[in-house]
Amino acid sequence: GAGVSQSPSNKVTEKGKDVELRCDPISGHTALYWYRQSLGQGLEFLIYFQGNSAPDKSGLPSDRFSAERTGGSVSTLTIQRTQQEDSAVYLCASSSRGLAGGETQYFGPGTRLLVL
Amino acid sequence: GESVGLHLPTLSVQEGDNSIINCAYSNSASDYFIWYKQESGKGPQFIIDIRSNMDKRQGQRVTVLLNKTVKHLSLQIAATQPGDSAVYFCAEKSWEYGNKLVFGAGTILRVKS
Repeated sequence: GAGVSQSPSNKVTEKGKDVELRCDPISGHTALYWYRQSLGQGLEFLIYFQGNSAPDKSGLPSDRFSAERTGGSVSTLTIQRTQQEDSAVYLCASSSRGLAGGETQYFGPGTRLLVL
Repeated sequence: GESVGLHLPTLSVQEGDNSIINCAYSNSASDYFIWYKQESGKGPQFIIDIRSNMDKRQGQRVTVLLNKTVKHLSLQIAATQPGDSAVYFCAEKSWEYGNKLVFGAGTILRVKS
């Protein structure tokens, strides 16, 4: 079946512009996660959606970052007034039962963001 | 073990040899652990997981060992192949982290033919 998909695969933007990154989770997965991966680094948690519950936003680095998940499926991560330090790979993952169930997270290919 | 920053530890092995990748995790309350493989330009791919009530779990060509006494996790890959070349991440989950996965910085595995 289809895995997690993300778009665009690459995004180059100018400092100060806003960007939107999209994630389509695996069909039927109730949990969705966003991570950021800087060059040569591990994954940094950003935000977690589980069903209809309020999202866990504890990893968002600033108020320039926001995310929403419409209809319990597709999610959009928005970065406003981008800065050069926002350049990274943004990864989305989904799982069938969420964190409490300890279920495996399946990752998309990521969006490579470069802020000039 | 893991390290932070741009200087990821690197393990170089000959094709056909066994590989052992190590991870020192930080939280004694962590109850779930997972290994991911990330090839260049791709997202992380699940390899194997283990819960804290186990000390060993085997998959196809891979084995994960958990030593809770010293908070150490290892991934063993049998008969390493060129396609195994990638960055390998361990991750831990604990209620103290809000049940979120916390990832290590990664280890680079290079397989020489």
